[in-house]
Amino acid sequence: DAGITQSPRYKITETGRQVTLMCHQTWSHSYMFWYRQDLGHGLRLIYYSAAADITDKGEVPDGYVVSRSKTENFPLTLESATRSQTSVYFCATRPGATPLHFGNGTRLTVT
Amino acid sequence: AQSVTQLGSHVSVSEGALVLLRCNYSSSVPPYLFWYVQYPNQGLQLLLKYTSAATLVKGINGFEAEFKKSETSFHLTKPSAHMSDAAEYFCAVSESGGGADGLTFGKGTHLIIQP
Repeated sequence: DAGITQSPRYKITETGRQVTLMCHQTWSHSYMFWYRQDLGHGLRLIYYSAAADITDKGEVPDGYVVSRSKTENFPLTLESATRSQTSVYFCATRPGATPLHFGNGTRLTVT
Repeated sequence: AQSVTQLGSHVSVSEGALVLLRCNYSSSVPPYLFWYVQYPNQGLQLLLKYTSAATLVKGINGFEAEFKKSETSFHLTKPSAHMSDAAEYFCAVSESGGGADGLTFGKGTHLIIQP
């Protein structure tokens, strides 16, 4: 089925480790986004991408790295995980001037 | 800069009662406004959107919202609550409606339906 797939759904990692969250879409939408959701903060934009090889920072980019070598994939990497990065991470896409479509999220716990 | 304020982190209503979730926005240009719903362990689903056409917007599952420029509000309503409406609701604003504009979200309102 067409849509957005995020993997893994759940991840537990230790402080200081590198971890990569995957996002794959089957629509070939131009724009892709990474949000984190935290209690009391709603959703905050981490990074976004307008097309392959074009990425830009959002509201809370520190500690994260993204890449987009292919239109359909937009991985998010935590280079050295910290406890403050414990969160639920959502990937979203948009083809143009339409609302965002969200994946089901990755729940990340950093111990 | 755009921003969204959702009044009330938790709202509790009885089944069959009116649902009213409040959203106020701030935007330097005519905004695009959205309501999303999130069920447990799921992503966000679009309920409805305002894009400067009609000020009263009808969405899925019997929800609707009214854009009031003078009050900078976009409150979400449903005449009769159902148990299945229990979820987290997010109001969001966009100044361009598309492109790299990733939406600015409110902090969410948790809707509780009492039997």
